[in-house]
Amino acid sequence: QVQLVQSGPEVRRPGASVKVSCKTSDYAFKTFGLNWVRQAPGRGLEWMGWISGYDGSTQYPQKFLGRVTLTTDPSTATAYMELRSLRFDDTAVYYCARIYSGSYSYYYYYMDVWGKGTTVVVSS
Amino acid sequence: QSALTQPASVSGSPGQSITISCTGTDSDVGAYNYVSWYQLHPDTAPKVLIYDVTKRPSQISDRFSGSKSGNTASLTISGLQPEDEADYYCCSYGGANNHWVFGGGTKVTVL
Repeated sequence: QVQLVQSGPEVRRPGASVKVSCKTSDYAFKTFGLNWVRQAPGRGLEWMGWISGYDGSTQYPQKFLGRVTLTTDPSTATAYMELRSLRFDDTAVYYCARIYSGSYSYYYYYMDVWGKGTTVVVSS
Repeated sequence: QSALTQPASVSGSPGQSITISCTGTDSDVGAYNYVSWYQLHPDTAPKVLIYDVTKRPSQISDRFSGSKSGNTASLTISGLQPEDEADYYCCSYGGANNHWVFGGGTKVTVL
């Protein structure tokens, strides 16, 4: 059964960084990419970026350029999302979600498997 | 403010049908047939219900259906059941500048 297992909850001070992991299992890691999506309290879902499992190529929306870095470790089939210069409004649940994709291209246009989410709280 | 507009809440009695709308623009919903819908229950992984506007994964009940007209997509839940009580989000491919745009979410309550 395909699963995305995310790391546990985090608490950070404003200005700090956080790195969330997403360990994949039971599928060919290189065949899929991963989207990262977050949900702040009382708000909708928000796309933070995509990374290819094939070659590590990435795409980011303008809002997160320079503040988010997505990486993968193919040897452990794990993806990482690092968010820097944290602000109070970065408090949210962060999800990884699988999407069938290659290098800089999507094959399917939906996310078929999601992690359960990682809660990140930014508090002073 | 989310890119796609959904009603904040929709409710219905067991057995009834409800429809959730998702309004975007000519750059996302209106431009591509890549609308998907996701169901979120607390403390569980989100689940895809509909993709490519109307397609349903094999494990999803046929009580869920999708459609689109112009810049507005819709999700219909027929034969509403207590376990359908959840938050629902629409998503559309938005092109090269903003690949994925989401709605603000709709809370479905089964009365």
